[in-house]
Amino acid sequence: AQSVTQPDIHITVSEGASLELRCNYSYGATPYLFWYVQSPGQGLQLLLKYFSGDTLVQGIKGFEAEFKRSQSSFNLRKPSVHWSDAAEYFCAVGVPSNDYKLSFGAGTTVTVRA
Amino acid sequence: DADVTQTPRNRITKTGKRIMLECSQTKGHDRMYWYRQDPGLGLRLIYYSFDVKDINKGEISDGYSVSRQAQAKFSLSLESAIPNQTALYFCATSDFNNGLQFFGPGTRLTVL
Repeated sequence: AQSVTQPDIHITVSEGASLELRCNYSYGATPYLFWYVQSPGQGLQLLLKYFSGDTLVQGIKGFEAEFKRSQSSFNLRKPSVHWSDAAEYFCAVGVPSNDYKLSFGAGTTVTVRA
Repeated sequence: DADVTQTPRNRITKTGKRIMLECSQTKGHDRMYWYRQDPGLGLRLIYYSFDVKDINKGEISDGYSVSRQAQAKFSLSLESAIPNQTALYFCATSDFNNGLQFFGPGTRLTVL
């Protein structure tokens, strides 16, 4: 079965600074990869997804993620953080052998300071 | 209007009570899921359904049951609630066989 690790539980970043959230997965082949964001009191919103092809994926709200097969990673980045980016971020993977059911990481909480 | 709705949004109940959480979707998706979210644990799958006649246990199904009343409706029941079922519960749907899921706003359940 697949598994997902988000090594950082909490990250604090200044508004306007860059942000990178780490995600590592365990699976023998290339899974389908997702980043979701959960704003306080809200449900999960899809930021971006990777199925195949170009390893640099653009998402909503100015986010991008890069799939690196050699490192089994799918890190999320944003060049300049806005106060509204304060939220919890989840990485998830789905694989065909598991009917594409998603396995989620534990999440990374992002705090944005003025 | 939201594509995936959950009712209630918040619920406080007592140990031993039966409670039902409901999920409805207008996306026309065949697949529906119930998750619970606990701090530091991410989302864990409770039950899922690939169509009206298909119900499957997830990784943490003990203490829960589900009903798929129609393509658009998927309910989660706690037959006898206990305090460690206090959590945030999410319903999700998907259509294509690629894992892309769409989530409801969540139900915050507190069991006293």
